[in-house]
Amino acid sequence: DQQVKQNSPSLSVQEGRISILNCDYTNSMFDYFLWYKKYPAEGPTFLISISSIKDKNEDGRFTVFLNKSAKHLSLHIVPSQPGDSAVYFCAAGGGAGGTSYGKLTFGQGTILTVHP
Amino acid sequence: DGGITQSPKYLFRKEGQNVTLSCEQNLNHDAMYWYRQDPGQGLRLIYYSQIVNDFQKGDIAEGYSVSREKKESFPLTVTSAQKNPTAFYLCASSKWVLEEPSSYNSPLHFGNGTRLTVT
Repeated sequence: DQQVKQNSPSLSVQEGRISILNCDYTNSMFDYFLWYKKYPAEGPTFLISISSIKDKNEDGRFTVFLNKSAKHLSLHIVPSQPGDSAVYFCAAGGGAGGTSYGKLTFGQGTILTVHP
Repeated sequence: DGGITQSPKYLFRKEGQNVTLSCEQNLNHDAMYWYRQDPGQGLRLIYYSQIVNDFQKGDIAEGYSVSREKKESFPLTVTSAQKNPTAFYLCASSKWVLEEPSSYNSPLHFGNGTRLTVT
């Protein structure tokens, strides 16, 4: 039972345009969400996060939107750059006593390719 | 620079042999984790440890064992009981936060992974 799903395995975008990566979840107990970026043969690096009490969090070119009623979150990258080409994972966590940022449930990942 | 070191980067073993993957961190983080990544799947949690000499099973602990004798180190042993050991293994660390999250300044920090191939 996949509690966090990224239904688009890949996304191709032109440089300078907006990239929108989507993620759906089923567990209503999740109370925070994160996006990680991963290059081949490297570990994921943290990008941005959002608490379930918010619906938007922005950090430079990256914005994460959360729609709790739809159990959906998205990552917007504006403007997209070729260096953004990587695999993006959404992750969710929390919902239990003793919150840890490490006990995360990850989606399958979306490969983003930004063309010059 | 603080970080997480996983070694080796590539590891090859024969079926039936146990193998231990190393993970060391100098971030002074209390919590450490092992995740596994398979093609087309997200990362799945194998084991985690909140403090020294204590660890908990994750979602897919069968066939694996860990130890946490030092804060900096969290080695993972892939035993012969693990049915599909070939995978990319990622170690991570974070602060362990007990209160309800009001900010997210301590996400997971990952190492660069060990690719294990068992034939």
